Amino acid sequence: AQKITQTQPGMFVQEKEAVTLDCTYDTSDPSYGLFWYKQPSSGEMIFLIYQGSYDQQNATEGRYSLNFQKARKSANLVISASQLGDSAMYFCAMRELAGGTSYGKLTFGQGTILTVHP
Amino acid sequence: ETGVTQTPRHLVMGMTNKKSLKCEQHLGHNAMYWYKQSAKKPLELMFVYSLEERVENNSVPSRFSPECPNSSHLFLHLHTLQPEDSALYLCASSRDKDVGAGNYGYTFGSGTRLTVV
Repeated sequence: AQKITQTQPGMFVQEKEAVTLDCTYDTSDPSYGLFWYKQPSSGEMIFLIYQGSYDQQNATEGRYSLNFQKARKSANLVISASQLGDSAMYFCAMRELAGGTSYGKLTFGQGTILTVHP
Repeated sequence: ETGVTQTPRHLVMGMTNKKSLKCEQHLGHNAMYWYKQSAKKPLELMFVYSLEERVENNSVPSRFSPECPNSSHLFLHLHTLQPEDSALYLCASSRDKDVGAGNYGYTFGSGTRLTVV
């Protein structure tokens, strides 16, 4: 069974500074995808970044980068140059890509609330 | 425009009412999902439809009844709800995990915030 763990219920960061949100995972699936989503107070889940289990390089999307350490089963999100609009809930998620269901179940962590201070 | 549209955005209903939540996607995805998100609880997967067939029902009470008439539309019919059913209900869709390469993520709608009084 897949499991995603986010151990930081809440994080605070000063505007313009970088912040790392932690995520560890557990799976026996040899092929999987790791995702980070942002959920503002309005409720929508916004896709931020994706890392495939066989990708050699860490994923980057603008100010977001994913620090992927496969041996340690961690997929931390790094947000550089934080902005006030980054204040939101952040979810780490993993999708099985080999075996299991035909649709590829997406399993979420508990989430981390990020607050950016001016 | 997220690609997945949910209506209504907000809904207040009494415990004896019957209402429906609607979800629509035109992304060519072949799987659709209903999630429930209660305050201070993790996301709970409720139902999964793959190729218009219900493939997963995670012990959801029968007062929630999903319907998937075609690959683009998903409904959640609500009746005789309880106050503890108040939550954000999120719809999502995805491509088959075996299709092509790249991002196999889910696309989410904006959610329906449901309050049961």
